[in-house]
Amino acid sequence: AQSVTQLGSHVSVSEGALVLLRCNYSSSVPPYLFWYVQYPNQGLQLLLKYTTGATLVKGINGFEAEFKKSETSFHLTKPSAHMSDAAEYFCAVSLRPNYNQGGKLIFGQGTELSVKP
Amino acid sequence: KAGVTQTPRYLIKTRGQQVTLSCSPISGHRSVSWYQQTPGQGLQFLFEYFSETQRNKGNFPGRFSGRQFSNSRSEMNVSTLELGDSALYLCASSLEMASGNNEQFFGPGTRLTVL
Repeated sequence: AQSVTQLGSHVSVSEGALVLLRCNYSSSVPPYLFWYVQYPNQGLQLLLKYTTGATLVKGINGFEAEFKKSETSFHLTKPSAHMSDAAEYFCAVSLRPNYNQGGKLIFGQGTELSVKP
Repeated sequence: KAGVTQTPRYLIKTRGQQVTLSCSPISGHRSVSWYQQTPGQGLQFLFEYFSETQRNKGNFPGRFSGRQFSNSRSEMNVSTLELGDSALYLCASSLEMASGNNEQFFGPGTRLTVL
């Protein structure tokens, strides 16, 4: 069974500092990997995804993530935090299409990012 | 292009009642998935519908059900509401059957409070 662990339910950084949100997954087969962001009273917005190919994935708003198979990790980074990055971030996995679980997303517990001025 | 819409946005019910939530996917999208979000359990998959057929189901009791109409709009129903059903219910749509790498677009959610 797949699972996702996000280390740290709350992360606080200063504006302009590096953002690092950690995500580790457990899966018996290679999964697809996603990062979503949720702003208050809103749904989820896709930041980036890894499906195949280059292991460093660039997303929207300056975020990127690197898939490291040996470490079963997919950490999210941004070189310089902005006040508008304050939100909750979710890492998720789904199985590849040849498994009948299809696109069911399995989410981590989320990390709330605070950005201090 | 309009995004995923969910109605109502907020709902208050009492224990024992039933509730129906509605989701309209992005135009042209044929797959609709439902998720429950709670502070304790986080985001959990409920079910996915594609072409009016349930394709995948999560680990929820039979009180949770859904359906999809020919225009791809979907409804989910919760019968005999319990306090623990209080949650944000999110709907997501994708172009084709959610196959892993298809992007799922989420609606703003319906906030259900059970008293």
